[in-house]
Amino acid sequence: DTAVSQTPKYLVTQMGNDKSIKCEQNLGHDTMYWYKQDSKKFLKIMFSYNNKELIINETVPNRFSPKSPDKAHLNLHINSLELGDSAVYFCASVSGVGTDTQYFGPGTRLTVL
Amino acid sequence: GENVEQHPSTLSVQEGDSAVIKCTYSDSASNYFPWYKQELGKRPQLIIDIRSNVGEKKDQRIAVTLNKTAKHFSLHITETQPEDSAVYFCAAPENFGNEKLTFGTGTRLTIIP
Repeated sequence: DTAVSQTPKYLVTQMGNDKSIKCEQNLGHDTMYWYKQDSKKFLKIMFSYNNKELIINETVPNRFSPKSPDKAHLNLHINSLELGDSAVYFCASVSGVGTDTQYFGPGTRLTVL
Repeated sequence: GENVEQHPSTLSVQEGDSAVIKCTYSDSASNYFPWYKQELGKRPQLIIDIRSNVGEKKDQRIAVTLNKTAKHFSLHITETQPEDSAVYFCAAPENFGNEKLTFGTGTRLTIIP
């Protein structure tokens, strides 16, 4: 019954590794986002997809590559992980655009050692 | 783009007292102002929102007021309870396309029993 789900919940890895985070929503929403929340709790948007099409790409290093195989899924692949990538990554979805309720996933806590 | 400032960054109130958190925004065309609550270790969740055609909206113990002339909006929580302890985020949309929300920096609210 979960509306927005993410896997894994926790990810601990070494610097230089490549990792992926997966997100799925069963709300029938058209738009999905990736946010990064750092240790100070700042929520920063990274990417947004609408119906599998990339519509927002903030100034994120190109080591981060989102992929949307269909409108219910949005994955995030990170190459060559760095210490500064340690954060909680949230996926979110919204029915229309930014002026509707965003539903967040439970978050993935990434720790890079 | 939209710039959202949120104050205070931390707030402690006695249980039963009121709490007020204020946000200012820069884009005068912004028309939607949500507030999200994030409990410790959990995902952000929408608690109330207001659109620019009204000046105030209430939902039980929480209310949001909007002053479009001054470009600020506030969250008011009355009769605070321990379960109100959380980080609260305001947000406003980037009005070019309305695709994304810009979040404030968050307010950590602690209710003292």
